[in-house]
Amino acid sequence: TQLLEQSPQFLSIQEGENLTVYCNSSSVFSSLQWYRQEPGEGPVLLVTVVTGGEVKKLKRLTFQFGDARKDSSLHITAAQPGDTGLYLCAGVLSVSNDYKLSFGAGTTVTVRA
Amino acid sequence: DAGVIQSPRHEVTEMGQEVTLRCKPISGHDYLFWYRQTMMRGLELLIYFNNNVPIDDSGMPEDRFSAKMPNASFSTLKIQPSEPRDSAVYFCASSLKWTGELFFGEGSRLTVL
Repeated sequence: TQLLEQSPQFLSIQEGENLTVYCNSSSVFSSLQWYRQEPGEGPVLLVTVVTGGEVKKLKRLTFQFGDARKDSSLHITAAQPGDTGLYLCAGVLSVSNDYKLSFGAGTTVTVRA
Repeated sequence: DAGVIQSPRHEVTEMGQEVTLRCKPISGHDYLFWYRQTMMRGLELLIYFNNNVPIDDSGMPEDRFSAKMPNASFSTLKIQPSEPRDSAVYFCASSLKWTGELFFGEGSRLTVL
């Protein structure tokens, strides 16, 4: 059972369309990271959100951290073929004076030209 | 600066053989992580080191897996004997702090026949 549930698992859209990827949990996170992984490569950090309700923008990508710090979303406006990849969320959980980083299973995004 | 360097990029071996994967973290990073990625289970943390000391190896699937970090610039993950179910992409990542940004290598794709 994944601590972080990502949805949808797969998403295929046409260039120019918008898309949203969700990352949900019943746990409260100290912070949450979003990574993008392209085929044959390792994940690369896109953003870290820390404060409940926080919104961060990275060009056409908008990241939101839920008010209760249990969920997050990634919205891409006017998607481009270069946005194709596996999007992973990773939550930092405080456990008994220690921290644990857990990854979701990921959303595979395909943007067709 | 060079990123995290992993070798080999691809390894094909037969069941029962020993496999050694290598990793050079980013200089100055105190944390090193070994992850395994499969379609079924996503990214799984196997073990991580802090200042060359193994901190949490609870993700190591069984005694066939072992990891070492003899110095700050080198780590190995060994599987002996290997089994077909070990087939996966193994990633090494390093970071400045435990909950900070993870810098991943390009991964080692292991196929055990």
